[in-house]
Amino acid sequence: EDKVVQSPLSLVVHEGDTVTLNCSYEVTNFRSLLWYKQEKKAPTFLFMLTSSGIEKKSGRLSSILDKKELSSILNITATQTGDSAIYLCAVEEGNQGGKLIFGQGTELSVKP
Amino acid sequence: DARVTQTPRHKVTEMGQEVTMRCQPILGHNTVFWYRQTMMQGLELLAYFRNRAPLDDSGMPKDRFSAEMPDATLATLKIQPSEPRDSAVYFCASGLVLAGGSIGGYTFGSGTRLTVV
Repeated sequence: EDKVVQSPLSLVVHEGDTVTLNCSYEVTNFRSLLWYKQEKKAPTFLFMLTSSGIEKKSGRLSSILDKKELSSILNITATQTGDSAIYLCAVEEGNQGGKLIFGQGTELSVKP
Repeated sequence: DARVTQTPRHKVTEMGQEVTMRCQPILGHNTVFWYRQTMMQGLELLAYFRNRAPLDDSGMPKDRFSAEMPDATLATLKIQPSEPRDSAVYFCASGLVLAGGSIGGYTFGSGTRLTVV
């Protein structure tokens, strides 16, 4: 059965810290891996990764995919209280094209 | 910015009643997902459509849930009869998928928070 596993499930840090969130997957027909940030409402899109070893960056957030290890990491540097959210990893499976399988999420809390 | 529109935002209903949730995907997107999110289970895929045709609805309890796309601008999710365990946030998401996969990821609507009492 296809699955996506995130770790840790929750994390508490202080402002200014750097955090690394992990996502591993077992999916029979991998197409891409996506990261989302969810605050009170809907998940908002952060990154889409398709190629191994190529870092995607947006401000203090960056992510990279390792297809050999079937995993991805999401880094957040110089964390701020506004980074507090649930971070979701999803894998797009390709047998039927585009099915998204989500991990449980990592709940990040950034304290002032 | 283009967005996915879901209605209603909140719904409180009594057990046994029919509930209909609606989703307007982003114009030009050919793939629509329905997800349910609870604290215990996280985001569960209920059903999804490509070019209005259902691709997978194995995540839905078939006896009470149904999902349709009567046209390209509307997706519906119905629960009949509703039960307290259906209480959750229901999200719709849309994206453009071509042969190589999705183009630019998927956009989520704001969700419908359903409470069945």
